[in-house]
Amino acid sequence: EPEVTQTPSHQVTQMGQEVILRCVPISNHLYFYWYRQILGQKVEFLVSFYNNEISEKSEIFDDQFSVERPDGSNFTLKIRSTKLEDSAMYFCASNLAGRRSTDTQYFGPGTRLTVL
Amino acid sequence: KQEVTQIPAALSVPEGENLVLNCSFTDSAIYNLQWFRQDPGKGLTSLLLIQSSQREQTSGRLNASLDKSSGRSTLYIAASQPGDSATYLCALGGYQKVTFGIGTKLQVIP
Repeated sequence: EPEVTQTPSHQVTQMGQEVILRCVPISNHLYFYWYRQILGQKVEFLVSFYNNEISEKSEIFDDQFSVERPDGSNFTLKIRSTKLEDSAMYFCASNLAGRRSTDTQYFGPGTRLTVL
Repeated sequence: KQEVTQIPAALSVPEGENLVLNCSFTDSAIYNLQWFRQDPGKGLTSLLLIQSSQREQTSGRLNASLDKSSGRSTLYIAASQPGDSATYLCALGGYQKVTFGIGTKLQVIP
């Protein structure tokens, strides 16, 4: 069964450094998403991406964050200058028909980001 | 602003018992509601998605209902099994964004 994959599974970085989290969505999906979950807190929506542009973003997704689909398979989340409060599990998801549809989103296993 | 509450926060039941997990929300302007399962250290697995116009969805031993007028959804699990032990999250697909509840941690005791 096709699945969403994410790399790395765990990333440790120093405060102020740039990090890039990578995701490979399911191959025929058109909509891509990033979420984060700070330890012990709710899963939070960050951004959705369709047709090579951001379609929605939350208030969390400020200028420190960016997303890109650099090729036909990868979908990346970049944090330009990490802060301690960016430490969280970051989940990538994808689906075929967008989040307003009945089409379920498929989630990757997550990347745990630790900012020291 | 959408607020999503899940009660109880944790639940422990003996194997075989039927159980109900609750999700309440404040804004009924949604596209859909989804129930997810999250295993420790893992991603989210979608269990059921209910469109805004629907009242319920069923999959195997799971049944989810949606009552927008009262701002409530329930996830019913029949004949629980130890493998059902996980955290169950509800997520509201709103017009602006998806909003998650914090989840109910379920433990099914053999």
